[in-house]
This record gives sequence, structure tokens and C-alpha cells, in this order.
Amino acid sequence: NAGVTQTPKFRVLKTGQSMTLLCAQDMNHEYMYWYRQDPGMGLRLIHYSVGEGTTAKGEVPDGYNVSRLKKQNFLLGLESAAPSQTSVYFCASAGSYYEQYFGPGTRLTVT
Amino acid sequence: GDSVTQMEGPVTLSEEAFLTINCTYTATGYPSLFWYVQYPGEGLQLLLKATKADDKGSNKGFEATYRKETTSFHLEKGSVQVSDSAVYFCALSDRMGAQKLVFGQGTRLTINP
Repeated sequence: NAGVTQTPKFRVLKTGQSMTLLCAQDMNHEYMYWYRQDPGMGLRLIHYSVGEGTTAKGEVPDGYNVSRLKKQNFLLGLESAAPSQTSVYFCASAGSYYEQYFGPGTRLTVT
Repeated sequence: GDSVTQMEGPVTLSEEAFLTINCTYTATGYPSLFWYVQYPGEGLQLLLKATKADDKGSNKGFEATYRKETTSFHLEKGSVQVSDSAVYFCALSDRMGAQKLVFGQGTRLTINP
């Protein structure tokens, strides 16, 4: 039982490049989330999903897109990376009892 | 909208000291409250939670009580250890629909031997 996994762990992009972050969970959870963590700002919700085939915007969605084609996977895409998107990205999933389980994070640097 | 405010960090204590990290919230509904902990280089882990007023969450010697009258959920531990060094996040969930979490800014705790 791996819980929530994220790939890659680290990535460096140049401004304007694109990439996709993959999140996978093996707990059969309905809800999945993408957050970004910046110093002194806690975690902020980018996008989330309440089930397979659904997505919705969170607090800071601009510049990101997501897809949830399979229940166990939640993809976060950056179409044209900007230095302001340098951050640590966390994926989380949740079942019925409000507890979110987090992945280990992806550290992204945009130069 | 809903928000969470934590005491400013960083906090540095000696081993066996008493710990309090303050957390207050504003919410339009009746939220559930959480403390998460992040150890260096890792993701967040749930430390404890409380879902209704006067509930006390506890885990690993940490405690927090849901105080509706003061809209607070302060984290306490009677005797901290070096292994408690981490970043602590207070969070709330409005318990509706997508169970979204709203986080405080985090408090970095360092325990010196």
C-alpha cells in the first residue's frame, strides 16, 4: 500500500516550457487535490476533483490545468511555465472522513 | 471566506519544554479542525483533528481542543523532544462537498537538546 505517490520529485524548467505532474493514489479515494507550498504562505489549493472525470478550480488556478481520467490518478499541467510557479507542489487524496493524505511533494524550479 | 491564523514562527525550545502553538480561525459554517505536521523533506501528515465544539484531539503527546466560543484550536505538548522539530500547520475544512482544507501559514518548531 503506497498511499499517495508523486512523480517527478524534482524538476527544473525554463520559462515557457510545459510539463505534467502525476499524482497516484491506491486508497480508492474519491477526492483529490493539488496544492502549492510557498514560504510563509502555507498551502494553497490549485485545483481539486470530487470524482473521476470531474475537476474544479481552487484558490490559485491560473496557469495550471488538471485532468482526472482515472479515479486513481490526478494530473497537474503547466502549459507555459513562469518563474512565479517555482514552488513545492503537493497532491492529496481523501475518502469519507475529512482526512487528507499527502504525497511527498514535487520541487519545481522555473528559471 | 474562511481563514486560519497561526502564531508567527519560528519557535525554538529546549527539550522537555512546554509547547503551545496558537491557532484561530474564521468560518461561516461549522468547520472541522486539524493539525498537520511536516517533517523535513516530507509531505504533510495528519497529527490530530476535532470535528465538533469541545472535542479534544490528541496524538503522540500533542493535544488541541476545539473552542467554538474563542474560535481557537491551540496545539499543546507538555514535554517536547528533538524529534518534534518540524513545521506545524493548522487547518479547517468546511465539511461540505469537496472537503477542501484551508491552511494557516505554518509554524516552524526547532527543539534543541
